[in-house]
Amino acid sequence: AQSVSQHNHHVILSEAASLELGCNYSYGGTVNLFWYVQYPGQHLQLLLKYFSGDPLVKGIKGFEAEFIKSKFSFNLRKPSVQWSDTAEYFCAVKQGANAGNMLTFGGGTRLMVKP
Amino acid sequence: NAGVTQTPKFQVLKTGQSMTLQCAQDMNHNSMYWYRQDPGMGLRLIYYSASEGTTDKGEVPNGYNVSRLNKREFSLRLESAAPSQTSVYFCASSRQGSNQPQHFGDGTRLSIL
Repeated sequence: AQSVSQHNHHVILSEAASLELGCNYSYGGTVNLFWYVQYPGQHLQLLLKYFSGDPLVKGIKGFEAEFIKSKFSFNLRKPSVQWSDTAEYFCAVKQGANAGNMLTFGGGTRLMVKP
Repeated sequence: NAGVTQTPKFQVLKTGQSMTLQCAQDMNHNSMYWYRQDPGMGLRLIYYSASEGTTDKGEVPNGYNVSRLNKREFSLRLESAAPSQTSVYFCASSRQGSNQPQHFGDGTRLSIL
């Protein structure tokens, strides 16, 4: 079965620090990759997605992610975090063309940005 | 535009009670999903419905049933609630297609005593 690993469970940064959250998946075929963010008390919102083309994708709020196929990775980055980025971040993977469009989620990374 | 609407937002049950969580979407999406979210485990798929009239088990279906009532509505039922089902439940919907993102509701926080 496919699995998605987010190795950093909790990250604490000061404002203006750079952010990189790791995501690795186990499926070897075609994949579609997503990062979702969940602000405190809210539902999940899509940050960005990759399904083909340029492996460096840009999302909302200054986030970007790089798909490295050889490393089965899709790490999320932001050059300079803000207090408002405090949230939980989830990486998710969908096997290409699978029935039902099922997403497999990582365990999440809880980010706290200190003002 | 409401998106994905879940009811109720909070519920407390006693062990053995039954409960139906409701979900409706107004985006004309074909596919709908039910997840549970537990600390440190991300979201795990309970059941999904790829299209109206079909439902399939996800990763953790035991103790749950679903009904795809029509294109808009997808309900999740706990027939005999257990404390292990204490969780936050999210409904989601999407267009068909492997590159289509899922849109999530606000969640139902369910506690079973």
